Formats: sequence, C-alpha cells, structure tokens
Amino acid sequence: AQSVTQLDSHVSVSEGTPVLLRCNYSSSYSPSLFWYVQHPNKGLQLLLKYTSAATLVKGINGFEAEFKKSETSFHLTKPSAHMSDAAEYFCVVSDRDGGSQGNLIFGKGTKLSVKP
Amino acid sequence: NAGVTQTPKFQVLKTGQSMTLQCAQDMNHEYMSWYRQDPGMGLRLIHYSVGAGITDQGEVPNGYNVSRSTTEDFPLRLLSAAPSQTSVYFCASSRADYNQPQHFGDGTRLSIL
Repeated sequence: AQSVTQLDSHVSVSEGTPVLLRCNYSSSYSPSLFWYVQHPNKGLQLLLKYTSAATLVKGINGFEAEFKKSETSFHLTKPSAHMSDAAEYFCVVSDRDGGSQGNLIFGKGTKLSVKP
Repeated sequence: NAGVTQTPKFQVLKTGQSMTLQCAQDMNHEYMSWYRQDPGMGLRLIHYSVGAGITDQGEVPNGYNVSRSTTEDFPLRLLSAAPSQTSVYFCASSRADYNQPQHFGDGTRLSIL
C-alpha cells in the first residue's frame, strides 16, 4: 500500500533564502506524486505533479520537485522564498491499488514560515 | 468559472443533530470525493464516487453517508453528529484517472458541541 511521510512538520526560512520541504513515499507501483499548497482558511491548490515523465518537475510560483526513485523521495524546493510562500504544503501520492480512480493519500503537512 | 463550490462555509451543530454538506462542480468531472482535515493529520478520505450512482468508502467513512444522483453534486450527510466529527471538510473533483490533479473547494468548517 502507498504511504507518504513528510519529514518536517514545520520549516522556517528567511525571505530570499532557499526552501526545502522533504517528502518520502512508499508505493508498489510507479507512483503519481503531487505537491499541494494550502493558504490559511483556503482550499488546496496544486503546485506540481509527477507522472513518470521528466524526473525534475516545475510547478507554479517558482517551485520544483525532483523524483528520485532510488531514494523514494520527492522533495520540494524553491531557490528564493517570498513572504507569500508562507502556507502549509502537502505531499500526496495517488493510490492505484483500487483501480484507476485516483484516491489521494496525504502526508501530514509541512507548515512553512517565512521571516522578513 | 466556479469550479468546486461547497456550502455552508461554517456550521455549528449540537450532538445528535443531522445535516448535509453540499458540494457541486461545474467541470463535468467523473470523480468526486470528500476529505476531512484535522490538525497534524493531513487530509483523510471519507467517501468517493467515480460517477453518478456509484459511491464507495474511503479511510474514515463511519458516521457519514453520501449519494451521487447527478454528475455535478455530491452531498455528504451526517446522520447524528458527534464531537469527534468537528473538523474542516473538503470536497474535491477530477477526471477519473489516477494521475489527474484534484480540484478542491474552499472547505466547510464544522463544529459539533
């Protein structure tokens, strides 16, 4: 069965410094992996997705993630943090065990704080 | 361009009361689902549907019912509310394929007293 582990519950960076949010996954299949962002009191918005094409995936707002099968990792990075990046980030794997319906399995989330 | 619309945005109930959380999408998506979000738990799947007339249970289905009579609507019913159901509820929709991104509503914040 698929699972997702986000290694940090809270990350704090200064504005203009790099961001690294870590995610490890477990999957019996070639997985589909996603990063979603949730700003306070809002729904979730897709940042990027990996679906077995290029291992380096570029998303919105300057974020990117690299799929590393040997390390079962899908870490999210951004070269330079902006105050507007402060939010909660979820790493997600799509569950294919039950067929093609794409049930999502969420990590517990990483809250990103950005200091001025 | 409404996307996924959830109503109400906020609700306070007493233990034992019933209510229905509404979810509607205008993207003709086959797949719809309900999640609950609790602090430190991420989102957990309650029920999902792959098309009108077809529903199935997710990870945490107890205490909730769903039905899917149309492609657009996927209501979630609490038959007898319990304090443990205090949570933020999200509805999502997508094409019915494992690698399709989900489109989320803005959530319903539900408190059970």
